[in-house]
Amino acid sequence: GAVVSQHPSWVICKSGTSVKIECRSLDFQATTMFWYRQFPKQSLMLMATSNEGSKATYEQGVEKDKFLINHASLTLSTLTVTSAHPEDSSFYICSASPWTGALAKNIQYFGAGTRLSVL
Amino acid sequence: AQTVTQSQPEMSVQEAETVTLSCTYDTSESDYYLFWYKQPPSRQMILVIRQEAYKQQNATENRFSVNFQKAAKSFSLKISDSQLGDAAMYFCAYRSANTGNQFYFGTGTSLTVIP
Repeated sequence: GAVVSQHPSWVICKSGTSVKIECRSLDFQATTMFWYRQFPKQSLMLMATSNEGSKATYEQGVEKDKFLINHASLTLSTLTVTSAHPEDSSFYICSASPWTGALAKNIQYFGAGTRLSVL
Repeated sequence: AQTVTQSQPEMSVQEAETVTLSCTYDTSESDYYLFWYKQPPSRQMILVIRQEAYKQQNATENRFSVNFQKAAKSFSLKISDSQLGDAAMYFCAYRSANTGNQFYFGTGTSLTVIP
C-alpha cells in the first residue's frame, strides 16, 4: 500500500518560535495533500488543501499567515506554524491521494501525525 | 458541504462477538465514495474499508463488512469476531466523485473490546 511519511512525530517548542512539519508520499506522487488538525477525542478538522505548484486552499477560520503551506514537489508538502503559541498545541495530520495508477482508488493515505506542544 | 453523522460516540463489544457501527450522510450527489478509517491509540489513520456508491454490492474486507443503503444514506460497519486489536476510534468519511477530493469525516465512534 501507499506510504505517507510525516516528520517530526513530536515537537516541543517555545512560544513565539516557528515549527515546520514535513509530509512526504514515499511511493507515489500526489498533486494534492491535505492538512488536518485533531483535538483529543475529536474528529479531524481540515485546515487546508495543499496543491503542488500553486497556493494552498485554506478552510474558513484558518489563518493562512500563521499556518504556511508549501507544496514544492509531487511528493512533499510542508506546514509551518509561525510564531507558535500554546493554543496552537495540537495533533496535526497530513494525508495524500495518489493522482494516478493502481493505488489511486480515491483513497487518502495518512501520515502518522505530529504532536505539537508549545510551551 | 456534505454532512457525515456518527450517532454512537462510544461502543463496546465482547471479544469474538460482532458489533455494528452506524454512519449516515447527507448529500445531493449520486456518485461518491464512502470509507471507514480506524485510528488506534497510536493515532495513525488506517483505511478499513471502501465503498463506491455506484456499486450495489456491499464491500467486505475479511472480518469487516459494510451495509450500504444508498436510498437511506446509511453506511454501517460490521466487525465480526472482534479482536482486542480492533479497539480504536472509527471514522466514517465521504468523498464526492465529481467535486474535488476533499474528505468529510464523521465525529467518530470509540470502540472498546472487552476480553
